[in-house]
Amino acid sequence: EVQLVESGGNLVQPGGSLRLSCAASGFTFSDYFMDWVRQAPGKGLEWVGLIRLKGDRYTTDYAASVKGRFTISRDDSKNTLYLQLNSLQTEDTAVYYCAKENWSKFELWGQGTLVTVSS
Amino acid sequence: EIVLTQSPDTLSLSPGERATLSCRASQSVSSTHLAWYQQKPGQAPRLLIYGASSRASGISDRFSGSGSGTDFTLTVSRLEPEDFAVYYCQHFGNSPPYIFGQGTKLEIK
Repeated sequence: EVQLVESGGNLVQPGGSLRLSCAASGFTFSDYFMDWVRQAPGKGLEWVGLIRLKGDRYTTDYAASVKGRFTISRDDSKNTLYLQLNSLQTEDTAVYYCAKENWSKFELWGQGTLVTVSS
Repeated sequence: EIVLTQSPDTLSLSPGERATLSCRASQSVSSTHLAWYQQKPGQAPRLLIYGASSRASGISDRFSGSGSGTDFTLTVSRLEPEDFAVYYCQHFGNSPPYIFGQGTKLEIK
């Protein structure tokens, strides 16, 4: 089955850290750019960042709101995408989705994992 | 940075009616890079339309996209109960960041 499954969401205190995972199956993971998108409670979608391919040296890009605090990585041998969240702030509270990017579209989304930043 | 503005914020219609949702870009964008998503409560977004007018796999032909330049439209020809949801447009520029519109909520009247 073609799917993405996120995990790792949790309650964390402001200033804390968390690592999210996204396990891919049913497609050749290493062939696709992968992205993270988040959605704060009751709000719209916000692009977080992306990671390119091995041939692109796994380069990354980030939204200004998370640059310097969040890091995206991937392990193609494990078909897994990661999002390391550091220096978390209350405004980072959101459902985090991973998405498979393919030629200017997010054609596959995970079910999301909830990150709550609160004291 | 491009801004996408969707209108209306909320659209109230009855099943069987036609829905027209708008997405306006702050500057001209390539239609190749414009996509639409549907999101139902508690679910992940789902790709509906890419390249402004191409339907994604498995999407009903009641959904159609059109537009160019700064003005894009998502049309649902005959609303079914399952179509009531939030719809987002998205622009993929030549480089990130990738921008979403704020969303249009399509609700049952």
